[in-house]
Amino acid sequence: EDQVTQSPEALRLQEGESSSLNCSYTVSGLRGLFWYRQDPGKGPEFLFTLYSAGEEKEKERLKATLTKKESFLHITAPKPEDSATYLCAVTIQGAQKLVFGQGTRLTINP
Amino acid sequence: DAGVIQSPRHEVTEMGQEVTLRCKPISGHNSLFWYRQTMMRGLELLIYFNNNVPIDDSGMPEDRFSAKMPNASFSTLKIQPSEPRDSAVYFCASSLSGVEQYFGPGTRLTVT
Repeated sequence: EDQVTQSPEALRLQEGESSSLNCSYTVSGLRGLFWYRQDPGKGPEFLFTLYSAGEEKEKERLKATLTKKESFLHITAPKPEDSATYLCAVTIQGAQKLVFGQGTRLTINP
Repeated sequence: DAGVIQSPRHEVTEMGQEVTLRCKPISGHNSLFWYRQTMMRGLELLIYFNNNVPIDDSGMPEDRFSAKMPNASFSTLKIQPSEPRDSAVYFCASSLSGVEQYFGPGTRLTVT
């Protein structure tokens, strides 16, 4: 069964304190790995798509990387406005459905 | 672009009543997805459409749930009869050829 596991469940950082969120996956044939940001009371907001091991994508303070078994979302010098739940999801070959992890709730304290 | 539009944003109903959730996808997108989010189970796909045709409804919990997409700009998710365990946030998402999916703001459903 296709599975996505995110860790940690929650992470609290001080403003400026860099860290990484992990997403490990077990799928039959990866088509793509997606990162989303979700603020309370809102729908998930698309951040990145990664397709192959070694690929990296960056956006402001965020950088996503992909290996054959996991993805990392690195956050550099975070600000309070980066506080949100970050969701990882995968699609498999021949399908369009997203399989989501449970998310990491990130809190950045000023 | 207005993004994915969902209505209503909040719905409170009594057990046994019919509930209809509505979605307008982003113009030009040809895939539409319905998801449900709960604390216990996270985000789960219920059903998705390609070019208005249902492709995978394996996530629909039971026969009380049904979804339609009569045209490229409108879809509904209906629950009849509703039960308290259906309480959740329901999201609609759309995409172009099933790659990046863009989500609407969701409908928070409470069944008492």
